[in-house]
Amino acid sequence: KQEVTQIPAALSVPEGENLVLNCSFTDSAIYNLQWFRQDPGKGLTSLLLIQSSQREQTSGRLNASLDKSSGRSTLYIAASQPGDSATYLCAVRGDNQGGKLIFGQGTELSVKP
Amino acid sequence: EAGVVQSPRYKIIEKKQPVAFWCNPISGHNTLYWYLQNLGQGPELLIRYENEEAVDDSQLPKDRFSAERLKGVDSTLKIQPAELGDSAVYLCASSLTGQPWDTQYFGPGTRLTVL
Repeated sequence: KQEVTQIPAALSVPEGENLVLNCSFTDSAIYNLQWFRQDPGKGLTSLLLIQSSQREQTSGRLNASLDKSSGRSTLYIAASQPGDSATYLCAVRGDNQGGKLIFGQGTELSVKP
Repeated sequence: EAGVVQSPRYKIIEKKQPVAFWCNPISGHNTLYWYLQNLGQGPELLIRYENEEAVDDSQLPKDRFSAERLKGVDSTLKIQPAELGDSAVYLCASSLTGQPWDTQYFGPGTRLTVL
């Protein structure tokens, strides 16, 4: 059974710092891995999607990496801003039809001005 | 283009009362998902529909939860009777198909509080 774990559960940093969020999964037979952002009272917004054949994806100040063999992914946020404060979730999708996403419990990020 | 629409956004009920949540997926999306998100946890799949057929409901507590997707468009998730432990956010998502390469788009969720 696939299990996804995110560390740390919460993180507080001063504005301008670079930071790394970690995600690990137990079954390497994944189709892709996705990072989401969730603001309080809102739904999930997809940030980056990495296919199993890829090593990383970049969007603006965000960079996500994937090491499928070791079951790990990281989300790197450069020059953090208070507007980055949110909960970040990673989710993996298996190879079978159905597109079922298995989520981690999330990392709650707070960026202080 | 409108995203996934859910209503109500918030619901407060007393235990043992029934409650229903409604979801309107993105137009043209054949696959619809209901997820449950407990406080401080990631979402967990409750049920997946391909058009009007429920193809994965293995995580749906069938003694009190039910869902339907009439005409393969809108969907309703019902709880009867609600228990204290049902307090959570209920998220609806849709995708073009159920294939793993199709992006799932999430609605804002319904936050349920059971007193």
